[in-house]
Amino acid sequence: GIQVEQSPPDLILQEGANSTLRCNFSDSVNNLQWSHQNPWGQLINLFYIPSGTKQNGRLSATTVATERYSLLYISSSQTTDSGVYFCATQTSGSRLTFGEGTQLTVNP
Amino acid sequence: DVKVTQSSRYLVKRTGEKVFLECVQDMDHENMFWYRQDPGLGLRLIYFSYDVKMKEKGDIPEGYSVSREKKERFSLILESASTNQTSMYLCASSADEAFFGQGTRLTVV
Repeated sequence: GIQVEQSPPDLILQEGANSTLRCNFSDSVNNLQWSHQNPWGQLINLFYIPSGTKQNGRLSATTVATERYSLLYISSSQTTDSGVYFCATQTSGSRLTFGEGTQLTVNP
Repeated sequence: DVKVTQSSRYLVKRTGEKVFLECVQDMDHENMFWYRQDPGLGLRLIYFSYDVKMKEKGDIPEGYSVSREKKERFSLILESASTNQTSMYLCASSADEAFFGQGTRLTVV
């Protein structure tokens, strides 16, 4: 099956810093999304982005499907950005595959 | 708003009990999934379903079964709960974009 790799696994920032999270996938995908897991375990969708670029406030994402990667940009980070960021993709055959996640800690 | 609802937020069960975790979605999605999440192990797929009465094993199906009698409901069953099934269980449903339940923290004592 498809392999999804995220980097870095851990990231520690000072409030106000910018960061880039990466997601590589091993095969062509039909869709790709980024989600944030808060400290209570709830996964909240950030972007559904099988290709192209999207922006939502301080967050933006770009997927280059032909090169099999996606990037999540966080600008002017805040302590509330802390948590685990997952990318996930669903190939034909319906299986939803997650990366291992990036644990982000933003210190005040 | 899409809603995926898991029946319990926290659950404590005894070893050997039969445990049912329920997940309901309101978006008429074909695909539904059950994962467990443990520290350092990420999200591991237990079972998924792409249609009513259809199911596929994921990566760690041992000790679990599932039921999908109606499109909106996907149940995870622990036939005889064991302490190594203490975990966070997460349900998801999707058409293209996947949406997630709030998670169930199950403790087996």
